[in-house]
Amino acid sequence: GDSVTQMEGPVTLSEEAFLTINCTYTATGYPSLFWYVQYPGEGLQLLLKATKADDKGSNKGFEATYRKETTSFHLEKGSVQVSDSAVYFCALSGGQGGSEKLVFGKGTKLTVNP
Amino acid sequence: DADVTQTPRNRITKTGKRIMLECSQTKGHDRMYWYRQDPGLGLRLIYYSFDVKDINKGEISDGYSVSRQAQAKFSLSLESAIPNQTALYFCATSDRGWTSGYTFGSGTRLTVV
Repeated sequence: GDSVTQMEGPVTLSEEAFLTINCTYTATGYPSLFWYVQYPGEGLQLLLKATKADDKGSNKGFEATYRKETTSFHLEKGSVQVSDSAVYFCALSGGQGGSEKLVFGKGTKLTVNP
Repeated sequence: DADVTQTPRNRITKTGKRIMLECSQTKGHDRMYWYRQDPGLGLRLIYYSFDVKDINKGEISDGYSVSRQAQAKFSLSLESAIPNQTALYFCATSDRGWTSGYTFGSGTRLTVV
């Protein structure tokens, strides 16, 4: 079945550091790919998405490019802030049989120190 | 008001008790979902519903049941709560298709003692 693997955390960075969180997927067909963010005490929020190969999703300084050849959707930000401290989830849908259900990775906790 | 509202936000209950978690949405979406979040395990799907007359089991449905009372309401019940059902529970909604993603509620933190 479809699956998402993301780098295990926790990740700790200093403010203004460069961030990469790796995400790879296994899916049949042509899935859509998503990054969600969960701030402490809150639900998940959609951060960005890409629905076809070579698309780049971007939001709030974060970017991720849908790479079908490497089945990857790595999240990047050039300069993180303390307010970016959160748990980040990579997810896909539309894989096996065109399923609408989201399949999530296990999440990566990011802590940014001043 | 939030697009997806979950009640209660926090609940402590005793082993063996029946408990209901409620979810309502103003997005007008057909699809609704219940997930459970545990540390280190990510989110796991309990039940989902693609419209009012459609209910489907997810990967961890044992010990849970659901009711889709209307397009906007989807409740989750624990028939006889047990301590390993202590977790954070999320409701989510989505539009048709697989490109739009989900809208999540703020979650219900359930503790079974």
